[in-house]
Amino acid sequence: GAVVSQHPSRVICKSGTSVKIECRSLDFQATTMFWYRQFPKQSLMLMATSNEGSKATYEQGVEKDKFLINHASLTLSTLTVTSAHPEDSSFYICSANQQQGWFFGPGTRLTVL
Amino acid sequence: GQSLEQPSEVTAVEGAIVQINCTYQTSGFYGLSWYQQHDGGAPTFLSYNALDGLEETGRFSSFLSRSDSYGYLLLQELQMKDSASYFCAVSPGSASKIIFGSGTRLSIRP
Repeated sequence: GAVVSQHPSRVICKSGTSVKIECRSLDFQATTMFWYRQFPKQSLMLMATSNEGSKATYEQGVEKDKFLINHASLTLSTLTVTSAHPEDSSFYICSANQQQGWFFGPGTRLTVL
Repeated sequence: GQSLEQPSEVTAVEGAIVQINCTYQTSGFYGLSWYQQHDGGAPTFLSYNALDGLEETGRFSSFLSRSDSYGYLLLQELQMKDSASYFCAVSPGSASKIIFGSGTRLSIRP
């Protein structure tokens, strides 16, 4: 099956700093990847669609200048949380679609102090 | 916009059968998919229905009625390891983008 990896799995940072999260498709090419955020005991909220070689498409209410997405290759998408604040603390998950279904990275737990 | 409704919690007995329902309202529809998520983990894809009817994958089956904007996930021969959250998700205007429902927490008791 399709494998998606994420790095780092866990990150703790100080308020005001920026954090970059990488999402890689290991055994397939993904022209499109999706970024989700999940708060404790809640559902996954789609933040944006990452498009290889072009600008990301953000969902309503998601600040594109705060959550920078880059999809420079067919196997790598990055999400950078800029000027992170405690309210950005969450579980960030990337996903890609293949013929067999949708596959998710293991997630990155971000804690902003 | 899109909205999906699921029961927030369901409890069942080990070895039994449980059905988790999902109703949806979307501006466009390509299909309904189901995911399992254990605490602290990422979602795992279970099944996908694009057309009306039942799809069976081992102990799990999923059903879709497009005319009723309704689907369900059926879990048979429940095992303790099936205790998890289950999400339905719709593919709206784009076939590859998915929007998640609120999730159903399934608890299995011996």
